Amino acid sequence: QQQVKQSPQSLIVQKGGISIINCAYENTAFDYFPWYQQFPGKGPALLIAIRPDVSEKKEGRFTISFNKSAKQFSLHIMDSQPGDSATYFCAASWHTDKLIFGTGTRLQVFP
Amino acid sequence: DADVTQTPRNRITKTGKRIMLECSQTKGHDRMYWYRQDPGLGLRLIYYSFDVKDINKGEISDGYSVSRQAQAKFSLSLESAIPNQTALYFCATSDPYSSGNEQFFGPGTRLTVL
Repeated sequence: QQQVKQSPQSLIVQKGGISIINCAYENTAFDYFPWYQQFPGKGPALLIAIRPDVSEKKEGRFTISFNKSAKQFSLHIMDSQPGDSATYFCAASWHTDKLIFGTGTRLQVFP
Repeated sequence: DADVTQTPRNRITKTGKRIMLECSQTKGHDRMYWYRQDPGLGLRLIYYSFDVKDINKGEISDGYSVSRQAQAKFSLSLESAIPNQTALYFCATSDPYSSGNEQFFGPGTRLTVL
């Protein structure tokens, strides 16, 4: 199976709060799990990515948590800011093959 | 200058018309992709090309065709547009040797089929 399931479809968070977006995959051969961020009127851009040999990766306020046994990974945005308001896509791939994207989460952070 | 450019940025057309969307890149990447984005459906792969002589169908290729004219150019055609093809279209590139599996997206083309 090639699907990547993402939830929630939309998320509203108050400034300073924690935003959490979840993804689940089925293909155990996947070995690369990126998150992309898309602002209105722009193309998606890579935000952060993880490989299954680690359970967590942190870059500034953004953290990926990875659970290999559950075949799930999530994006945590700490101290969420209005500038984080965007659509976020998770994705997965095997080796350097094409990416399989989730359905996206629209995040709105209110001041 | 943008590394991945798409033309046109916006297009309104009528059912039955032939439409071509163009993508150019200056990143020197061999791999190029076409996606469409619909609300609630995410990014769905239409076609992809791993080099100039390689063209592959994605998950939703019906009603679309592509041409890889050169390493830097990858065009998407709708032979006979239908309203169901109204969407945001993105081109992307990647190079596994220089940047792993990261894909670099263009700014998108908003297509409306009336």
